[in-house]
Amino acid sequence: GAVVSQHPSRVICKSGTSVKIECRSLDFQATTMFWYRQFPKQSLMLMATSNEGSKATYEQGVEKDKFLINHASLTLSTLTVTSAHPEDSSFYICSANRPSGGVYNEQFFGPGTRLTVL
Amino acid sequence: QKEVEQNSGPLSVPEGAIASLNCTYSDRVSQSFFWYRQYSGKSPELIMSIYSNGDKEDGRFTAQLNKASQYVSLLIRDSQPSDSATYLCAVYQAGTALIFGKGTTLSVSS
Repeated sequence: GAVVSQHPSRVICKSGTSVKIECRSLDFQATTMFWYRQFPKQSLMLMATSNEGSKATYEQGVEKDKFLINHASLTLSTLTVTSAHPEDSSFYICSANRPSGGVYNEQFFGPGTRLTVL
Repeated sequence: QKEVEQNSGPLSVPEGAIASLNCTYSDRVSQSFFWYRQYSGKSPELIMSIYSNGDKEDGRFTAQLNKASQYVSLLIRDSQPSDSATYLCAVYQAGTALIFGKGTTLSVSS
């Protein structure tokens, strides 16, 4: 499968600080990347769709001013959690679409970033 | 609202048995179907994709698609304890993000 990396894999920060998470597609160009959040023992929750060169599309209930997404190149999307609070502690996972034409659109996940806000 | 339904389980099978995981979806125009495996504390890993009716085999895994019944399944032959994980069914149609089911937890006992 294709390779998607995420950095950092784990971060602990103080309440009120901002945290930036990077997502890179290493062996293909991704015009579309996705950001998910997963709380313990719960299912994946799509936060936003990140499109290269345009504004991200946020899912209902996700604050776009709190979760800033930038997709500046075809291989890099970043998620910045601004003014993080303990309730933002979660497992953040990015994914990237590897287009193969038509409906053959496989999506590959990064390894995830575990955020703990103290 | 587009939905993907899976039995949450847990599905328990003995080592060496066939594990059968099922998924139904609501939107008839869905075009692509995927199975992901997620180990506890890890991110999902794509294990199978299927686009047309019928069976698709890859090693011990067989994906089955029936678009008329809006049904996708994953069979795991010769189940191993290392197959114990949550299996996520995902459905795609052009112009949308993947829609995931909540996942089925599989437990393979040795």
